[in-house]
Formats: sequence, C-alpha cells, structure tokens
Amino acid sequence: GAVVSQHPSWVICKSGTSVKIECRSLDFQATTMFWYRQFPKQSLMLMATSNEGSKATYEQGVEKDKFLINHASLTLSTLTVTSAHPEDSSFYICSGTSGRTDTQYFGPGTRLTVL
Amino acid sequence: GNSVTQMEGPVTLSEEAFLTINCTYTATGYPSLFWYVQYPGEGLQLLLKATKADDKGSNKGFEATYRKETTSFHLEKGSVQVSDSAVYFCALRPAAGNKLTFGGGTRVLVKP
Repeated sequence: GAVVSQHPSWVICKSGTSVKIECRSLDFQATTMFWYRQFPKQSLMLMATSNEGSKATYEQGVEKDKFLINHASLTLSTLTVTSAHPEDSSFYICSGTSGRTDTQYFGPGTRLTVL
Repeated sequence: GNSVTQMEGPVTLSEEAFLTINCTYTATGYPSLFWYVQYPGEGLQLLLKATKADDKGSNKGFEATYRKETTSFHLEKGSVQVSDSAVYFCALRPAAGNKLTFGGGTRVLVKP
C-alpha cells in the first residue's frame, strides 16, 4: 500500500514556542491531506482537510491561526502549532488520498509534548 | 451528525480464541464503513471496508458485514494470533464527502 511518513516522530518544546510537523506521501501524489489529533485512549478527531495548492478547511472548534496547515506540493503537507501550550500536547496524525482512490493512507503520527 | 460507537476495551483473549468487536453507526444515507488497525508504534492501516448494505469486507482472516437494518459493522476473526494485538478502529465515510468519522478504538491483547 501507499506510504506516508511524518517527521518528527516525537517532539518536546517549551510553552510559547512553535513546532512544525511534516507529512510526506512517499510513493503517491496526495491531492488531499487530512490532519487528525488523538488524545490518549481516545479516537482520532479530524482537525482540517487540505487540498494541494488551496487553503485548508478547518473543522469547527479548531483554531486556524493556531494550527497552520500548508499543502504546497502533492507530496508534502505541514502542520505548525504556533505558540504551543501544554494543552496542545497530543498525538498528531496525517493521512493522504491520491484522488484515484478514496482510501486514506495514514502516517505513523507525531507525539507533541509541550512543557 | 455522523457518529460511530464501538465497544470499549481492552479485550484480552487467548491465542486461537474467537474475536468480535461491535461497531454501530449513525449516519444519513448509505455511508461506506471501514475497519482500521493500529499496531504498536505504527500508523493506522486499512484492514477492510464495505461500501453498500450486505457487503462483506474481509482481510487477514477478519470479516465484517455491512448491516443496514441494525446500522452495524461488527468485526470478527475466528482464531486470533498474538500478532493481532493492536487497536482497532471502526470508521464511516458519508456517501457525499471524504471525511472519516472514527469510533473510540478497541485495544485487543492476545496472549499466548
């Protein structure tokens, strides 16, 4: 199946700093990418959907100025958590679809800890 | 809105036991239904799917049947292995649109 990578796999940062997470589709062109957040022992909550070259569409309750999403190419999307606070600590997961199929391929996730 | 409810875990089984994980959904129309599996330290992988009523999805010995009348998509495997230890997520995608709605996940632990 198609492979999606995320970098870094884990990151620890100080409160007030910004953190960038990369999501790459390694062997397919991801026309649409999704960003999810997963709290411990809970399900995935969709944060936003991005189409290559367009602005991301955020789910209700997700602050677009805090969670900046860029999808500048068909193989790369980035999520920047700006002015991070401890409550932003979570597991962030991305996925991509190629457009040829509606199957979402998921990355391994990035664990963010804000001190 | 759309929602997915699945049984809470953890589910602990012995090897070769029968596994069932219940999943029910709420959605309008005819959504597509999915089971994803997340092995320790890895990303979610599509396990199986069904796109219309009475369809049966199957993969790696797992099966699930799309039951419209009971709005269910229960996952079953007749004989589990230690390597099946993982978290299993039931999900739906509405007939119109590409967003997935996930259930809470069920952790399965298979002991030798």
